[in-house]
Amino acid sequence: KQEVTQIPAALSVPEGENLVLNCSFTDSAIYNLQWFRQDPGKGLTSLLLIQSSQREQTSGRLNASLDKSSGRSTLYIAASQPGDSATYLCAPDGSSNTGKLIFGQGTTLQVKP
Amino acid sequence: DGGITQSPKYLFRKEGQNVTLSCEQNLNHDAMYWYRQDPGQGLRLIYYSQIVNDFQKGDIAEGYSVSREKKESFPLTVTSAQKNPTAFYLCASSSIAGDQPQHFGDGTRLSIL
Repeated sequence: KQEVTQIPAALSVPEGENLVLNCSFTDSAIYNLQWFRQDPGKGLTSLLLIQSSQREQTSGRLNASLDKSSGRSTLYIAASQPGDSATYLCAPDGSSNTGKLIFGQGTTLQVKP
Repeated sequence: DGGITQSPKYLFRKEGQNVTLSCEQNLNHDAMYWYRQDPGQGLRLIYYSQIVNDFQKGDIAEGYSVSREKKESFPLTVTSAQKNPTAFYLCASSSIAGDQPQHFGDGTRLSIL
């Protein structure tokens, strides 16, 4: 059974810092992995999707990497801003492409002005 | 604008009562999903559907039921058999190609009176 762990659980940084959020998963047989952002009391917003054949994806100040063999993904946020404050969730999809995402508990980020 | 609409935003259930949560999408997505989120935890899959008139149980389907009579709609009924229904419920949709992210609604918060 796939298990997803995100470290750290919470992170507080001053504005402008570069930071890395970590995600590990126990079953490396994944179809893709998605990173989401969740604001308090809201739904999830997709940030990046990495296919199993890819090593990384970039969108603006965000870069996500995937090392499927070791069961790890990282989300790199460059030049953090207060508006980046949210909970970040990673979710691998199983090998059969059913869309059955398994979520980690998330990393709650606070960026202080 | 294309998106997913969940209603109501807040819902209260009495003992022994069934309640139905609405989820509508106009993204022309074939696949739809229902997740449950408890405080401080990641999302867990309740049910999913990849095509009209067909749906599959997720990890925590007991006490819930769904229907998929139209491509745009995937309502979730929380039955009286669900003994701990208080949670934040999120609906999502996606294409079935596996190369596009899941899109989420803003959620319904269900509480027990």
